[in-house]
Amino acid sequence: QKEVEQNSGPLSVPEGAIASLNCTYSDRGSQSFFWYRQYSGKSPELIMFIYSNGDKEDGRFTAQLNKASQYVSLLIRDSQPSDSATYLCAVWGQGGKLIFGQGTELSVKP
Amino acid sequence: GAGVSQSPSNKVTEKGKDVELRCDPISGHTALYWYRQRLGQGLEFLIYFQGNSAPDKSGLPSDRFSAERTGESVSTLTIQRTQQEDSAVYLCASSSRTSGTYEQYFGPGTRLTVT
Repeated sequence: QKEVEQNSGPLSVPEGAIASLNCTYSDRGSQSFFWYRQYSGKSPELIMFIYSNGDKEDGRFTAQLNKASQYVSLLIRDSQPSDSATYLCAVWGQGGKLIFGQGTELSVKP
Repeated sequence: GAGVSQSPSNKVTEKGKDVELRCDPISGHTALYWYRQRLGQGLEFLIYFQGNSAPDKSGLPSDRFSAERTGESVSTLTIQRTQQEDSAVYLCASSSRTSGTYEQYFGPGTRLTVT
C-alpha cells in the first residue's frame, strides 16, 4: 500500500462546477496535510494546509480532513479553466518529511 | 520576499560528466529538501537538510548522488558520471519548520538532460 494515494485522473469537470479531489494516507500518526497545485512544466505551488479535523476554507478552495478515516480532500468551487493542473496531496508523517501522492490531473472544460 | 531560487534552470550534459545543481532557500528557512521529478511522474524525495546536517539521505538513488549545505543556506546537489536515467527536473524546497505546520515552498527547478 502506498503511503499517500490519489486517483491519477484525469478528472474532468465543466466550468463552474465543483471539483472534488481525494487523498488517503496510511500513517495514522500523520499530523499535517497539504495540497499543492502543479501546472505543466512548473514547480508545485502550495494551495492549502490543514491539520485539524474538519473543513478549512480559503476563497474557492476547501480542504477537508478526517483523521479517523485517514482521508483528506480538496474541493474547488466555481472551477475555472485556469484551475486545470495536477493536484498533489502531501502528508507530514512521523518520518519527519513530506510524503507526496502521485497527483490527480484536473481538467476544467469551458 | 524572495522565494526559493535554483540554478541553472536548464542543464544539458553528456553521459559520464559530472553536474552541480544549486539551491538558494528562502531566507531564514532551516530545512531544505531535494526532489526529482521525471517526465509525467510524481515527486521522488532525495534528501533533506536540517541546518547543515542531513538526517535523511534515504532517497539518494546511488552513490553517484551527493549533496551538501553550508552556512544553513545554499545547497548543492552533485551527480557524478551522469547517466541518461538521471534526466529529470530536480526540485528544491525549503521550510521554516518553526511554524509547526512544516509547509514547503518549491523553487522553479533545474531541468537536467543527459545526452
